[in-house]
Amino acid sequence: EAGVAQSPRYKIIEKRQSVAFWCNPISGHATLYWYQQILGQGPKLLIQFQNNGVVDDSQLPKDRFSAERLKGVDSTLKIQPAKLEDSAVYLCASSLNLQLNSYEQYFGPGTRLTVT
Amino acid sequence: AQKITQTQPGMFVQEKEAVTLDCTYDTSDQSYGLFWYKQPSSGEMIFLIYQGSYDEQNATEGRYSLNFQKARKSANLVISASQLGDSAMYFCAMREPNQAGTALIFGKGTTLSVSS
Repeated sequence: EAGVAQSPRYKIIEKRQSVAFWCNPISGHATLYWYQQILGQGPKLLIQFQNNGVVDDSQLPKDRFSAERLKGVDSTLKIQPAKLEDSAVYLCASSLNLQLNSYEQYFGPGTRLTVT
Repeated sequence: AQKITQTQPGMFVQEKEAVTLDCTYDTSDQSYGLFWYKQPSSGEMIFLIYQGSYDEQNATEGRYSLNFQKARKSANLVISASQLGDSAMYFCAMREPNQAGTALIFGKGTTLSVSS
């Protein structure tokens, strides 16, 4: 079974530029998450989708970050314009459904973003 | 307030020894889930073990066991017979039912170094 795919793996941009990350979840997984992991910290949720609908985006900086999952499969996370503090690893994860007792949340390899 | 607290920034252990990584959590819910993930230097998050709040027995998965003390709100990870490949960052995480979604709340992590 193929895992969660993410691209690119690494990206370096200058501040005020825009960037986009792509995630393809495990086939059949309805729930998709984007996490931000700043160096030395644990991942923090940015946005959660159930199929193509947003379940939780309370921690997404909506003035500069946007995300979509139009067909309920793959997803794109965009930052425009980027700031220095956006330098982090962006992790995508997926799970079968929203059940609390389900622990099958699988992570992709992440995209490491450096903003200079 | 911190939902997940990992007080050990770094731990050092020799091969074949056992090690305990500490985790305390804060929640007012009766139903919740606790997780441990491993993050090697390559960056992917690897699921290790899950404990539900109503589970009466401590979870075990191979060399990993979770020492769950509900009254003390602690969920320590025990790794028996450490191996060099266990060197990585370890994150404790929690999921609560009253969140808008089912995303995980992570601690800051503990770096484990295993030497020969």
